Amino acid sequence: GAGVSQSPSNKVTEKGKDVELRCDPISGHTALYWYRQSLGQGLEFLIYFQGNSAPDKSGLPSDRFSAERTGGSVSTLTIQRTQQEDSAVYLCASSWNIGVGNTIYFGEGSWLTVV
Amino acid sequence: AQSVTQLGSHVSVSEGALVLLRCNYSSSVPPYLFWYVQYPNQGLQLLLKYTSAATLVKGINGFEAEFKKSETSFHLTKPSAHMSDAAEYFCAVSETGANSKLTFGKGITLSVRP
Repeated sequence: GAGVSQSPSNKVTEKGKDVELRCDPISGHTALYWYRQSLGQGLEFLIYFQGNSAPDKSGLPSDRFSAERTGGSVSTLTIQRTQQEDSAVYLCASSWNIGVGNTIYFGEGSWLTVV
Repeated sequence: AQSVTQLGSHVSVSEGALVLLRCNYSSSVPPYLFWYVQYPNQGLQLLLKYTSAATLVKGINGFEAEFKKSETSFHLTKPSAHMSDAAEYFCAVSETGANSKLTFGKGITLSVRP
């Protein structure tokens, strides 16, 4: 597609349930990033992929969070046993490659509410 | 490690007035610097970026920013605010010799009064 596509755009889930958030990057982009945006916390880096490998997972807040990327394209962010503090907007982004200075393009985000 | 500071959380200007949004960075190596804008219920859009070429960078929608190494600053300006500029603005940094992962500031909300 023309831009980074994320689904679902909105998700309400009960505390303790698992959720999966999907990201489809811009075609041809080898680098893919996940960020979290929440009130008072700004934009937090979670993880990035170069191809299917994740060299930097340093931002994942706990072992309840995981992400994978297959075929060098679509990525899925999974949150297990969701907690209310997981409520946030999860932003996916992609760039041509991981080289510094490359423009990073963002999707519109997946709004997650844990009740 | 790199970081970005955006002082204040909210700026309000009158339509037609100068817009000045401040950003200071901390980096142990020459940085790459970015400004992104986020309109309500939308993702982030790149306004402009500095990648060690010209220190005065022009972006979209009439915005520009000047890299000042001596002040470790990368402030965003626009000579005349429009109502459509109301949004949240984020400054971000990535480090040369590393990768393109961005570290963001907290963001500043810009309001434009008629």
